Amino acid sequence: GNSVTQMEGPVTLSEEAFLTINCTYTATGYPSLFWYVQYPGEGLQLLLKATKADDKGSNKGFEATYRKETTSFHLEKGSVQVSDSAVYFCALRDSGGYNKLIFGAGTRLAVHP
Amino acid sequence: KAGVTQTPRYLIKTRGQQVTLSCSPISGHRSVSWYQQTPGQGLQFLFEYFSETQRNKGNFPGRFSGRQFSNSRSEMNVSTLELGDSALYLCASSLGKQGANEKLFFGSGTQLSVL
Repeated sequence: GNSVTQMEGPVTLSEEAFLTINCTYTATGYPSLFWYVQYPGEGLQLLLKATKADDKGSNKGFEATYRKETTSFHLEKGSVQVSDSAVYFCALRDSGGYNKLIFGAGTRLAVHP
Repeated sequence: KAGVTQTPRYLIKTRGQQVTLSCSPISGHRSVSWYQQTPGQGLQFLFEYFSETQRNKGNFPGRFSGRQFSNSRSEMNVSTLELGDSALYLCASSLGKQGANEKLFFGSGTQLSVL
């Protein structure tokens, strides 16, 4: 079945450091890929998405590129801020899966001043 | 525009009881999906409703059920509660057009504790 694997956390960084959170997936067909962020006590917010191979999603300084050859969708940010501290989830949606998302386990990011 | 509203925010129940959670989607959205979030299993899809019909279902026992009303508001019900049902239940709404660019908007969730 379809699945998403992302790097385990927590990831601890100093402010202005470079961030990479790895995400790989297993799926048939051509799924859409997403990164969601969850701040303490809140629901999920869509951070960025990509719907086909080589698409680059970007938002608020975060980027991720849909790599079909390596089945990956790694999240990157050049300079993190304390306010980026949250849990990040990688997810996929089947091409025919309506709104059923399959999530990775989540990666907690802690950014220190 | 108001976001996705889930009520109540917190619930405490005992084993064997049943519970009903409510979700009001963003105005104009016709699809409502439900997810369970636990530390052990992560985020898992429960079911999705569109125009009052369930159109997709995850791998949960029959104790978990849902429905959607004509105004797109949705409820989910869990009967005969078990300790393992303690979780954050998230609701997400979308237009329901089922395209690659369809965006889901999540509520803040209902935190259910089963004692």
